[in-house]
Formats: sequence, C-alpha cells, structure tokens
Amino acid sequence: DGGITQSPKYLFRKEGQNVTLSCEQNLNHDAMYWYRQDPGQGLRLIYYSQIVNDFQKGDIAEGYSVSREKKESFPLTVTSAQKNPTAFYLCASSRGTSGGSTDTQYFGPGTRLTVL
Amino acid sequence: AQSVTQLGSHVSVSEGALVLLRCNYSSSVPPYLFWYVQYPNQGLQLLLKYTTGATLVKGINGFEAEFKKSETSFHLTKPSAHMSDAAEYFCAVSDRGAQKLVFGQGTRLTINP
Repeated sequence: DGGITQSPKYLFRKEGQNVTLSCEQNLNHDAMYWYRQDPGQGLRLIYYSQIVNDFQKGDIAEGYSVSREKKESFPLTVTSAQKNPTAFYLCASSRGTSGGSTDTQYFGPGTRLTVL
Repeated sequence: AQSVTQLGSHVSVSEGALVLLRCNYSSSVPPYLFWYVQYPNQGLQLLLKYTTGATLVKGINGFEAEFKKSETSFHLTKPSAHMSDAAEYFCAVSDRGAQKLVFGQGTRLTINP
C-alpha cells in the first residue's frame, strides 16, 4: 500500500535531549513537509523540501533541523534549543514542483512528542 | 501574508441536521482552497479542494463547499450530519505558484444523537 509512515507514534524525551522523528513515503512524491500541531492553533509549517538535498525553513523552524538525503525520507530532529517541544508532529508529502500549488498534501498518522 | 480564519472553534449539531463550517481567507488574488478532516490522534485527510472551474466543489463523505470570491469565503456544508462526521476540520489555502499551505485554526465538530 502506498502512503506515509511516521515513527514512533508516541515519544517521550527528557529536557535537554535531542530527538529525531522519522517520516517515510512510498508515493514517489518530490515534496515533503513537517508541521507542528498545538490545540487551537491549527498546523504550523516547520520545514519543507521540494527536492532531494534541498529544504527551506517554514514559519517556526527555530529549534528544529531536517535532512533530505533520499527522496523517500525526511527526518525531523527536535533539538534542545526548542523551548516548548511538546506537541503533535505531522509529516506530509505532495507531488511537488510538477504539480504546483494545486497539489494535495497527503499526511502521515503523526508522532506525539512529550517532554518530561 | 496569506491568512485563513475559521469562525467557531467548536460547532455542535444534532444527527441529521445541516452542517455548516465557515472559512474566510485573505487574498487579493483567488488562492487555491482546501478542506481537510482529522480524526482523533490521526493525520489529516483531504475532503475537497477548489483550484479552478466550478465554484461548487463536491468532496468525500457527502461534503461540499462553495467558493465565493466576493465574500472571500469557502464554507463547508453537509445536508445531514452523521455520528461518524465528528472530527476536527481544517480549511487551508495556497497561493498560486507557492508550495506551502496555510491552515486555519480548525473547527471541532460534535454530533449530538
């Protein structure tokens, strides 16, 4: 089945630790995205990538880092510099540059990160 | 910058009643418009989208939305609510030529038996 997988579903971290969230897609999509969801605030864009080995900051990139070494994978690292990392993190992908801004974004099931 | 406003963070309707979820956007140029649904602890699923052409768009699960340029609105409706419609709904826009979506704050829909 084609789709987006995120792991783990639940993640607990101690303050001061970095943690990496996994996102993999087998849809052959060029573009991938990371969003943060907090209650009552909708989704906010952290980083996005339109092609392998290239990515851009979104609206709330501070305290996060990403890499895009393979088309299928777009891991997100939440660093100790992120002051309030407890949230629900969603990864998405879309066809990308060939489809333009009409593209549908397909979402993974999310990872809930809790800082203890 | 593009923005989206969803009126009402929480809407409650009776089973069988009309569902109306409101969305307004700010843009001088008509953007592309999307409605997504999210069930608890899950990702988002596309309900419908407007790009060009007919302004009344039909989506999955009996939902539809109408793009009204004069009102800068894209309200979501369903004639008869079902218990399975209980979820959170997000309106989103993207500017022509942009790859990014901007989401509204979301509306939580509750269905009363």
